[in-house]
Amino acid sequence: AQSVTQLGSHVSVSEGALVLLRCNYSSSVPPYLFWYVQYPNQGLQLLLKYTTGATLVKGINGFEAEFKKSETSFHLTKPSAHMSDAAEYFCAVSFYGGSARQLTFGSGTQLTVLP
Amino acid sequence: DGGITQSPKYLFRKEGQNVTLSCEQNLNHDAMYWYRQDPGQGLRLIYYSQIVNDFQKGDIAEGYSVSREKKESFPLTVTSAQKNPTAFYLCASTRGEGSWPQHFGDGTRLSIL
Repeated sequence: AQSVTQLGSHVSVSEGALVLLRCNYSSSVPPYLFWYVQYPNQGLQLLLKYTTGATLVKGINGFEAEFKKSETSFHLTKPSAHMSDAAEYFCAVSFYGGSARQLTFGSGTQLTVLP
Repeated sequence: DGGITQSPKYLFRKEGQNVTLSCEQNLNHDAMYWYRQDPGQGLRLIYYSQIVNDFQKGDIAEGYSVSREKKESFPLTVTSAQKNPTAFYLCASTRGEGSWPQHFGDGTRLSIL
C-alpha cells in the first residue's frame, strides 16, 4: 500500500523567505511523485512531477523538489516566496507502471505568505 | 483551449434528493475520475472510468453513482444514500492508463439545505 504524509497542515513564511513544504511517502515499489497547487474554489494544477531520471525536479513558478529515496521524501522548495504563492499544496504518489486510476494524495499544506 | 468543465459551481441538495454533477472534457482523454475533497483530508477517489461504458469504484463509492456513455462526459450522481454529501467535488482526466498528469476541473461545491 502507498501513502503520503505532508508535515504541517499550515505553513507561514514572509515574502522573500524560503518556502519549504514537506512530503514523505510510503511505497513498496518505485514511486511517481507529484506536487499540485490549489487556489481557492479551483481545481488542482500540476507544479512538478518526478517519474524517473534526475532527482531534482524543477517546476512552474520557481518551485522545485528533490526525490530522496533514502529518506522517502519529496519536499517542495522555492528560494523566495511571493504573495501569489499563497495557496494549498498537495503532494501525491503513484507507482511506476500502475493504472491511470491511482493517485494517492496527502492531506495538503496551506501556505500563507506574510507581507 | 482544451479543458475540463464542471457545472454547476455551487449546488444545494435537499434531504432525500438525488443531484447530478456534470463533468465534460474536450481533451480527448480516455480516463476520467471523480474526487471528493474535505477540509484537512486531501482528495479521495470516488469513481473512475478508463473507457466508455466502463467504470470502477474508488475508495469511497458508497452513495454515489456514475455513467460513461460518451468519451467526453462523466456525470456523478450524489444519491440520498450519501449521508454526508457536503464537500467540494473535483473531476479529472488523463489520456489513459499510465499517463500523467491528471487535468482537473474547477470543482463543484455541494451543500445541504
